[in-house]
Amino acid sequence: KNEVEQSPQNLTAQEGEFITINCSYSVGISALHWLQQHPGGGIVSLFMLSSGKKKHGRLIATINIQEKHSSLHITASHPRDSAVYICAVRGMNSGGSNYKLTFGKGTLLTVNP
Amino acid sequence: EPEVTQTPSHQVTQMGQEVILRCVPISNHLYFYWYRQILGQKVEFLVSFYNNEISEKSEIFDDQFSVERPDGSNFTLKIRSTKLEDSAMYFCASSGSGSNGYTFGSGTRLTVV
Repeated sequence: KNEVEQSPQNLTAQEGEFITINCSYSVGISALHWLQQHPGGGIVSLFMLSSGKKKHGRLIATINIQEKHSSLHITASHPRDSAVYICAVRGMNSGGSNYKLTFGKGTLLTVNP
Repeated sequence: EPEVTQTPSHQVTQMGQEVILRCVPISNHLYFYWYRQILGQKVEFLVSFYNNEISEKSEIFDDQFSVERPDGSNFTLKIRSTKLEDSAMYFCASSGSGSNGYTFGSGTRLTVV
């Protein structure tokens, strides 16, 4: 069973700051997802990673498979980035007929103007 | 951009009543999932569905739960006799192969009273 840990649990930043959210997992994976959830709202997929680094606008996601660690970075943060950011992993033994995800508890990010 | 559509967005039901939560996955996706999120907790896997059958289910998905894909487009989650502890946000998701295009619906908030 994979344990997914995120840090920090809560993060408050000033507009314009560089943000880093970390995710560690206990067992080897085949893919890692970063997701965004607004309070009371739905879940939006930001990235799926199996190696290296991906960038989309001001968001950057990296993964180190050997270290079992991923980071999500937000450059030039803005109040509209305020949300819960969730790391979710797909296990090595899944696939074929199942790509279920195991979720972390999420990081609540608040960006103040 | 293709969406996963869930209805209703909110449902309030009496304890012991049956509820059906509905989802329309993305049309060319092959893998379908239900997840739930109890208020303040992390998202938990319930069940995955592929090729018209359940491919995996969690311990939560007991005999009170069932899923169907009745007409090739809808994907439903039925809870036969709801309990207070079934109160949660239920998310439907779908994906292509290799968890590509993993997309979540906006969720159904179920309140059991």
